[in-house]
Amino acid sequence: DSGVTQTPKHLITATGQRVTLRCSPRSGDLSVYWYQQSLDQGLQFLIQYYNGEERAKGNILERFSAQQFPDLHSELNLSSLELGDSALYFCASSSRGSEAFFGQGTRLTVV
Amino acid sequence: TQLLEQSPQFLSIQEGENLTVYCNSSSVFSSLQWYRQEPGEGPVLLVTVVTGGEVKKLKRLTFQFGDARKDSSLHITAAQPGDTGLYLCAGAYSGGGADGLTFGKGTHLIIQP
Repeated sequence: DSGVTQTPKHLITATGQRVTLRCSPRSGDLSVYWYQQSLDQGLQFLIQYYNGEERAKGNILERFSAQQFPDLHSELNLSSLELGDSALYFCASSSRGSEAFFGQGTRLTVV
Repeated sequence: TQLLEQSPQFLSIQEGENLTVYCNSSSVFSSLQWYRQEPGEGPVLLVTVVTGGEVKKLKRLTFQFGDARKDSSLHITAAQPGDTGLYLCAGAYSGGGADGLTFGKGTHLIIQP
């Protein structure tokens, strides 16, 4: 158990819909990272938050947004969903300079 | 463009055999990390290598960072079914932490009993 909790584990939704993925980091970790994993692209970095502030942006689409709340949990919002957004979405957390601990992921299927 | 190329993509071998998987890049990294991911789970960090030429051992797993810090290899001796999984390498441009990691697509390894 990495200590990082992601909900839900599975999500099936229709094209055009909007979903919210939730992540609770390990106790004490201020950084949260979101990644998308697909068979053809591998694990792609989306965005990082540190103590509530956006710190780094990767290959995140404009239809996607994220935030980190005062209690340090984070949410990734995916809107106007397309078939190609079907993937595993991982959240990871870390303390400054330490390794990343990944959650079990949310498997999103867009139909 | 994939900054980190991993090879082979897929590898299926018999229990007891040895194997090596590779992680190559044209970029210089300040550190390189290896992860293992099992089905239904997130990646778990195995090792971080920081110095060019560095070799680290984790039981039957040997990790090497290239002298120029552009490539790395993972060698498994006497592979066991429990070694089955997706092996990912990730490069960092600064420090050895979790910031700014670029992942390869991984090597899917199956060890058959």
